Amino acid sequence: GAGVSQSPSNKVTEKGKDVELRCDPISGHTALYWYRQRLGQGLEFLIYFQGNSAPDKSGLPSDRFSAERTGESVSTLTIQRTQQEDSAVYLCASSWGTSSYTGELFFGEGSRLTVL
Amino acid sequence: QKEVEQDPGPLSVPEGAIVSLNCTYSNSAFQYFMWYRQYSRKGPELLMYTYSSGNKEDGRFTAQVDKSSKYISLFIRDSQPSDSATYLCAMNTGRRALTFGSGTRLQVQP
Repeated sequence: GAGVSQSPSNKVTEKGKDVELRCDPISGHTALYWYRQRLGQGLEFLIYFQGNSAPDKSGLPSDRFSAERTGESVSTLTIQRTQQEDSAVYLCASSWGTSSYTGELFFGEGSRLTVL
Repeated sequence: QKEVEQDPGPLSVPEGAIVSLNCTYSNSAFQYFMWYRQYSRKGPELLMYTYSSGNKEDGRFTAQVDKSSKYISLFIRDSQPSDSATYLCAMNTGRRALTFGSGTRLQVQP
């Protein structure tokens, strides 16, 4: 596709359930990021993938959060045993970027997660 | 203290006004400075990208970086109702992911 595609666009789940969020980056982009945006807040970095290098997981808030990426394509963010504080919009971005994190980020429209 | 501080607004201006949006930061290692615009329920999109200090102009938009004061600004001339959005500053050292401000919500009244 022409842009970064995320699914689902909206997800309502019950506390304690696991959720999977999917990101399909722009074709050819080697770098992929996940950010979290709580209501009225800025973007909080979660994880960064660059090519076949080990991902930068320094932003993951707890071991309930994990992400995978297959090569330079689709990524999945998994949240286990969801809590109400996990409610947020999860944004995925991709870029041409090298290892220096300086490439322009192209964002998807986000997956809005609500944990009841 | 957050690494990047940004007034959340909302900032309401009449159409045609000059808008000034600002961020301050604490990490002197930041070298790359960006402004993103985010419409409601959309992902952010890059507006301006500046390396180190100085000014950069693109149409009605001007970005300024003052590293000595750790202060960056975005000016919008002849503001339009279509400029109504949340504006996020972002910056990094080049060695880790972007750090974003919390965003300023701008409303341009027709």
